[in-house]
Amino acid sequence: DIQMTQSPSSLSASVGDRVTITCRASQSISSYLNWYQQKPGKAPKLLIYAASSLQSGVPSRFSGSGSGTDFTLTISSLQPEDFATYYCQQSYSTLIFGPGTKVDIK
Amino acid sequence: QVTLKESGPVLVKPTETLTLTCTVSGFSLSNARMGVSWIRQPPGKALEWLAHIFSNDEKSYSTSLKSRLTISKDTSKSQVVLTMTNMDPVDTATYYCARIRSSWYYYYFDYWGQGTLVTVSS
Repeated sequence: DIQMTQSPSSLSASVGDRVTITCRASQSISSYLNWYQQKPGKAPKLLIYAASSLQSGVPSRFSGSGSGTDFTLTISSLQPEDFATYYCQQSYSTLIFGPGTKVDIK
Repeated sequence: QVTLKESGPVLVKPTETLTLTCTVSGFSLSNARMGVSWIRQPPGKALEWLAHIFSNDEKSYSTSLKSRLTISKDTSKSQVVLTMTNMDPVDTATYYCARIRSSWYYYYFDYWGQGTLVTVSS
């Protein structure tokens, strides 16, 4: 199976900060990469699919980029409601999630 | 409005078989390029995809759990059922069902159920 890693595993940031989360695949997955946001006690929410396509209803401050093995999720200006854990997930082969990145308040 | 809801036991004993049902509304299990997946999350840990089934009855399973899982659907009841055999305490987790979409070979989970916590203990 393709393995997914995320960095950092956690970060502290302030409202208004620009935040970047990285996801790396153990082999090329083209652009078969999705991003999800999960808040405590809640189901995950799809943010980005196909590496850079914004899911309907998701604020434009979220963006995704990358292809091959390296991907990034960027939040251009962190809002209070963005404090959550973020997961990447590849769909190139057997569906695998990354270990997650927790974003908390500085 | 698309909704998914999981149902099943909250407590199972080791070695027992778990049966979970996902009841969907707002879309049909016969819709092309749509299906339902099961995903679980142990307390404090990451998400783990388990299985999915598409409208054409195409099924796929997690490599590590394939021998223990069976997924099926009843389109007339709008339900997808997952069975997992030989449950163990390490299988304690919140189990989610989610709608899986395929678009030009891109697969993603666009709607999720609220999840159901299953505890494995004697």
